[in-house]
Amino acid sequence: EAGVVQSPRYKIIEKKQPVAFWCNPISGHNTLYWYRQNLGQGPELLIRYENEEAVDDSQLPKDRFSAERLKGVDSTLKIQPAELGDSAVYLCASSLGLATQTQYFGPGTRLLVL
Amino acid sequence: KNEVEQSPQNLTAQEGEFITINCSYSVGISALHWLQQHPGGGIVSLFMLSSGKKKHGRLIATINIQEKHSSLHITASHPRDSAVYICAVYGGATNKLIFGTGTLLAVQP
Repeated sequence: EAGVVQSPRYKIIEKKQPVAFWCNPISGHNTLYWYRQNLGQGPELLIRYENEEAVDDSQLPKDRFSAERLKGVDSTLKIQPAELGDSAVYLCASSLGLATQTQYFGPGTRLLVL
Repeated sequence: KNEVEQSPQNLTAQEGEFITINCSYSVGISALHWLQQHPGGGIVSLFMLSSGKKKHGRLIATINIQEKHSSLHITASHPRDSAVYICAVYGGATNKLIFGTGTLLAVQP
């Protein structure tokens, strides 16, 4: 069974440019998470989806970040415009359901903003 | 103060040593994860536990709910165990997954 797929694995952009990350969760997993992980820190939740509905986006910087999961399967996270401080690893995870289900993480997208 | 604290932050061990990584948390939880993250790699869930003890190969995880403390033990450590080990809890008012900052383990041959 395929795990959580993310692309690209690495992205280098100049500040003020837009960038998008893509995630395909494990088949059948209704819950999808986007996390940001800064160097030396644990992941920080940005947004959580239940099917196509964003049920928790309280930590998403809405002035420049947006996400969508239109058909309740794969998801895209976008930053426009990117800032230097956005350099981080962006992790996608999925789980069967919400409460205390094991989350399965993708390999992440490492973003460097110059 | 972080809701999930890990110690030590960095750990260097010789191959074969017994390793313990500790996690303390300050919120009520429903479950606790131990996760492993290799450099440049994704995160792998090692254990999810809500009470007692679990064992998988050379890895053992324990949790004491009353003391709000969990430990991850690695027996007969090997260089391939070198990674960041992260403790995360489902807890707090929103039942989100709250992460510790991780323990960087280096096992030298």
